[in-house]
Amino acid sequence: KAGVTQTPRYLIKTRGQQVTLSCSPISGHRSVSWYQQTPGQGLQFLFEYFSETQRNKGNFPGRFSGRQFSNSRSEMNVSTLELGDSALYLCASSWAGSSGNTIYFGEGSWLTVV
Amino acid sequence: TQLLEQSPQFLSIQEGENLTVYCNSSSVFSSLQWYRQEPGEGPVLLVTVVTGGEVKKLKRLTFQFGDARKDSSLHITAAQPGDTGLYLCAGGLLAGANNLFFGTGTRLTVIP
Repeated sequence: KAGVTQTPRYLIKTRGQQVTLSCSPISGHRSVSWYQQTPGQGLQFLFEYFSETQRNKGNFPGRFSGRQFSNSRSEMNVSTLELGDSALYLCASSWAGSSGNTIYFGEGSWLTVV
Repeated sequence: TQLLEQSPQFLSIQEGENLTVYCNSSSVFSSLQWYRQEPGEGPVLLVTVVTGGEVKKLKRLTFQFGDARKDSSLHITAAQPGDTGLYLCAGGLLAGANNLFFGTGTRLTVIP
């Protein structure tokens, strides 16, 4: 079955702009989570959505937001971009069963803020 | 503050050698996963362990979850150049929740 699909793969934005990233989970998966990966901080959890509701949130400012649609597809938005927002943004999906936390990642969206 | 510390951070070995990567924490995890990530790609899941003391084998890779569910190790036997990559451990504090805490990563290079 198809994996987690993220679009766009690469994008360049200017400071102050906003960006929206999209994620289509594996078919049947109801949970979508977002992570930010940078060389300095590694992989950090942004937020998780399940059944269109934000279930968990990491320690990021309010400029980072997301949503999930009824078909489980998700988007994340970053407003008022800063240079430090340059990172690989990874989406992951899971069936969200009760045993284990197995999540499957997409290839990511590379964001460069100039 | 990193919940999971991995060691070593960098590892460069010759093809055919054995190696072990460690993932340690003071927190108890409901499950722990190991991923491998290639440059420019997302992490790819290698294994999930959920039971304290659990050992799983994936060809030349052996994964162990500590008895207290606070630590894990990844052992690779007879490393090959195709094993080169960034190895990440990730732990979930609550079963069913998908906010994983990732380790600092181990960058492995296997020299032919």
